[in-house]
Amino acid sequence: QVQLVESGGGVVQPGGSLRLSCEASGFSFSSHDMHWVRQAPGKGLEWVAFIRYEGSQQYHADSVKGRFTISRDNSKNVLYLQMNSLTSDDTAIYYCAKLGRSFGSGLDSWGQGALVTVSS
Amino acid sequence: DILMTQSPLFLPVTPGEPASISCRSNQSLLHKNGYDYLEWYLQKPGQSPQLLIYLSSSRASGVPDRFSGSGSGTDFTLKISRVEAEDVGVYYCMQPLQIPYTFGRGTKLEIK
Repeated sequence: QVQLVESGGGVVQPGGSLRLSCEASGFSFSSHDMHWVRQAPGKGLEWVAFIRYEGSQQYHADSVKGRFTISRDNSKNVLYLQMNSLTSDDTAIYYCAKLGRSFGSGLDSWGQGALVTVSS
Repeated sequence: DILMTQSPLFLPVTPGEPASISCRSNQSLLHKNGYDYLEWYLQKPGQSPQLLIYLSSSRASGVPDRFSGSGSGTDFTLKISRVEAEDVGVYYCMQPLQIPYTFGRGTKLEIK
């Protein structure tokens, strides 16, 4: 079955960096667009970034543009989120999510999430 | 950015009774291909979100048929025909038509 397992979360000081990973299994990873979505404590869902299945195109929310970078390694079935210049506003659970078979088919599988805490 | 507005934000429901959640966008979600790009997600307590509905009215795999989505353009509705205890959680609508994807604030469904 489809599995998405995030790792790399933790506590980091303001201005610091962190790289999240999302290991995928149970499906053809290289055939699916992937997303990162985050959720600040007690808040709603916020879309963060998206990468096409082959990695040629990436899009980021304005709130993270220039600081975060989504990437993937299809040979390892891993999705990444490099996070630099972190602020307290970036404190959240970060979920990786898989897009279904085509545009508009929904984020049909989600990981369990990785908690990132930005604090001095 | 497309603004998504959900109502109500809080929804207490008696088991066995129906429930309805509204989601409105400030721009049409109707694509030129004729499909409306609107999705519904449920986040149960302590869990990751799960997909319920895509393309406004298509149920995701494994979703019970008591869940249905409808609407077009800027006005959408998620209906639960008979609420069960396992349906508690926060429901979010999301538009994937335009980057950035945007979510509604969420509707918390609670059992009375």
